[in-house]
Amino acid sequence: EVQLVESGGGLIQPGGSLRLSCAASGFTVSSNYMSWVRQAPGKGLEWVSVIYSGGSTYYADSVKGRFTISRDNSKNTLYLQMNSLRAEDTAVYYCARDRLYYYDSSGPHYGMDVWGQGTTVTVSS
Amino acid sequence: SSELTQDPAVSVALGQTVRITCQGDSLRSYYASWYQQKPGQAPVLVIYGKNNRPSGIPDRFSGSSSGNTASLTITGAQAEDEADYYCNSRDSSGNPNYVFGTGTKVTVL
Repeated sequence: EVQLVESGGGLIQPGGSLRLSCAASGFTVSSNYMSWVRQAPGKGLEWVSVIYSGGSTYYADSVKGRFTISRDNSKNTLYLQMNSLRAEDTAVYYCARDRLYYYDSSGPHYGMDVWGQGTTVTVSS
Repeated sequence: SSELTQDPAVSVALGQTVRITCQGDSLRSYYASWYQQKPGQAPVLVIYGKNNRPSGIPDRFSGSSSGNTASLTITGAQAEDEADYYCNSRDSSGNPNYVFGTGTKVTVL
């Protein structure tokens, strides 16, 4: 079964650090694009970061320089290292597989087809 | 970074058709994907690419695009379609970042 399971969330003080994990089963993390998406309480979805199969990484402006996405191929696990946490980082964090479905004349077409259940991060003193 | 704008809420009578729109400059260059999210659950992909449904998504869901606007249409809405819907696309500024729409709450009456 294709599945993603996040862990590592919790209550952390402003300025602190936390590392989220996303364990995959049924597919290989390193062969896919993998994203982190978050959702603040009562708010919409916000894309956070992506790691390409080739290893390139990209970040939303709101987390650039503070968050780092990575993966451990031996553990088939995706990570999000979050430093200098702020109250506005409080959210449910989801990992998702960004699957390449097909190419056509307009380029590649992706969709986030597998999502974890989410892990809650609360930044508060 | 670019923005994708959606109407905050729409309602539809059971069995009728509803269209959800998503506007943004990036949609002139990229197709939108669409996600359904029910309370307390993770999002679910319902449309990707030009107009494609993942396995298991009912054919009452369809997508289209024109200019800077992408649309998700539910033809013959069912009670279980009541949810939040988000569009998603690439950033138009040239970097490979993603951006989600502001979200639309669909109520089935």
